[in-house]
Amino acid sequence: EAQVTQNPRYLITVTGKKLTVTCSQNMNHEYMSWYRQDPGLGLRQIYYSMNVEVTDKGDVPEGYKVSRKEKRNFPLILESPSPNQTSLYFCASSVLNQPQHFGDGTRLSIL
Amino acid sequence: RKEVEQDPGPFNVPEGATVAFNCTYSNSASQSFFWYRQDCRKEPKLLMSVYSSGNEDGRFTAQLNRASQYISLLIRDSKLSDSATYLCVPSNNNDMRFGAGTRLTVKP
Repeated sequence: EAQVTQNPRYLITVTGKKLTVTCSQNMNHEYMSWYRQDPGLGLRQIYYSMNVEVTDKGDVPEGYKVSRKEKRNFPLILESPSPNQTSLYFCASSVLNQPQHFGDGTRLSIL
Repeated sequence: RKEVEQDPGPFNVPEGATVAFNCTYSNSASQSFFWYRQDCRKEPKLLMSVYSSGNEDGRFTAQLNRASQYISLLIRDSKLSDSATYLCVPSNNNDMRFGAGTRLTVKP
């Protein structure tokens, strides 16, 4: 089954404790991206990647890192999480210039 | 001004009603247009692409007006299962811009 898989689905953690949210897709898509969704603000892009070893900042990259060492994986790293990063996070992938497919989402709470 | 502006809703309609959502976008370089549907606390899912000539998919009709930078979605014969938030998404290459969404509740 074609899918984008994120882990974990839910995480409650504390300020400053490094965490990684994994994202994997099995559709051989070149393009992958991370979004956060907050009430009233819609989806905002954090980082995106056009292919292996190619990543770029989206609209709200501060406090986040990503890597794209393999085509299928695009982890999101929060080196020192803060409460303002509490949000619902989505990973997405697509063939270039096509609509994106989203993972199930990761709900992060940072206390 | 937001890049993508949508009717905030919520729209509360009875089953069988026809409902229309509007969306305006600011980036004239947008080349592709989509409507996504998002159920509460779930991931957005592609509902339909929007073509310049307008297009229909069953009960759903999408229209695009490039000159006015305006996109619309019409839902006919609303079903309970249509209750969701509808996201307007103009895109320039892979740069997809999501509206905050319009919430629809269809009631029996």
